[in-house]
Amino acid sequence: NAGVMQNPRHLVRRRGQEARLRCSPMKGHSHVYWYRQLPEEGLKFMVYLQKENIIDESGMPKERFSAEFPKEGPSILRIQQVVRGDSAAYFCASSPQQGTEAFFGQGTRLTVV
Amino acid sequence: GENVEQHPSTLSVQEGDSAVIKCTYSDSASNYFPWYKQELGKGPQLIIDIRSNVGEKKDQRIAVTLNKTAKHFSLHITETQPEDSAVYFCAASLGQNAGNMLTFGGGTRLMVKP
Repeated sequence: NAGVMQNPRHLVRRRGQEARLRCSPMKGHSHVYWYRQLPEEGLKFMVYLQKENIIDESGMPKERFSAEFPKEGPSILRIQQVVRGDSAAYFCASSPQQGTEAFFGQGTRLTVV
Repeated sequence: GENVEQHPSTLSVQEGDSAVIKCTYSDSASNYFPWYKQELGKGPQLIIDIRSNVGEKKDQRIAVTLNKTAKHFSLHITETQPEDSAVYFCAASLGQNAGNMLTFGGGTRLMVKP
């Protein structure tokens, strides 16, 4: 059973470009969470999604950030018009419908130059 | 919202010694407390968790204790080995009924010296 798969592992974008981060949850998991980790800090919750629904986006910046988890395919975290402050590691986690354990992917390290 | 404080931020121990990391949380409704180990360049890995109806849980060299009254929980690693060196994060959650979003502590960098 493959773990949570994130791609790309590393992403470099120039200021003003768009970044698209992908997350495929573990097989059988229908709950996806996105977290952001700044250097030398803990992870901060961004958004919680189930298939085709955003359940909680209280941690998402109000502008430029969006997330989706379509019926088919991976969950996508999209950052428009990136700025240097968006540089961070973005982690996706998934959990099964009935459980509470969250399993994390390896993350995408976004660098904005 | 929930706030989780973690101490110490760095911890250096000799191989074979014990390591203890402590966390406090603010929301008395939190009922799920996982611990994650993060190695350089990797994602957090769940190593042990505890729910609020249990005071202590042990898995080989790792144990976690929970004091609901004081709102703090601790990670204990015995007989530390160099491969235990990593950053450890505690977290708290309101559980499945509230979506299970995790609030993380700031992390503890554990260094085990051979």
